[in-house]
Amino acid sequence: DVKVTQSSRYLVKRTGEKVFLECVQDMDHENMFWYRQDPGLGLRLIYFSYDVKMKEKGDIPEGYGVSREKKERFSLILESASTNQTSMYLCATRPGQPGNTIYFGEGSWLTVV
Amino acid sequence: GENVEQHPSTLSVQEGDSAVIKCTYSDSASNYFPWYKQELGKGPQLIIDIRSNVGEKKDQRIAVTLNKTAKHFSLHITETQPEDSAVYFCAATRGSSNTGKLIFGQGTTLQVKP
Repeated sequence: DVKVTQSSRYLVKRTGEKVFLECVQDMDHENMFWYRQDPGLGLRLIYFSYDVKMKEKGDIPEGYGVSREKKERFSLILESASTNQTSMYLCATRPGQPGNTIYFGEGSWLTVV
Repeated sequence: GENVEQHPSTLSVQEGDSAVIKCTYSDSASNYFPWYKQELGKGPQLIIDIRSNVGEKKDQRIAVTLNKTAKHFSLHITETQPEDSAVYFCAATRGSSNTGKLIFGQGTTLQVKP
């Protein structure tokens, strides 16, 4: 089974703090994603990485950064957290070979106060 | 821009009844359409998917149909059970991209009453 681990399930941070959300996968997948989930809006793509040190902006990258120094790890960075970034964040992976199944982690609930 | 519309946003059915969730997409180049189920406190899990060269796919009580001409696809759950209660998301590829980038619908909260 594919395992996508988001180490922080619930976080409460203050406005202006720097926040790191970590994601680790154990299946050697090339592609990794960060999505944000909000009620009524579904899942929206923040950033995407197709290889180590490679990244591509998604639909809502403003206020976020990412880091992929190792193939198995993809981090989402909020340089200066704001209250409108309170949300559920989902990491996902996908093998680079043909076949489009995406596997999600359990999610990280972030509250910014 | 590209988008996926999903309806209804909430659906309540009696145990044993069928449930249907519908999605429309805008990008005619989309070629892969997965459905995800998200239980409370968990991440979405793939339950069924369909590719653009297929019109229908079935897996036990779950089926998905695709109408490429009309650009819509639907999830059908028969003989619903309380454990089917969850949020369901449809998705479509952004173009025919092999990067796997998906556009998601807004989600449908399905409640199955015992």
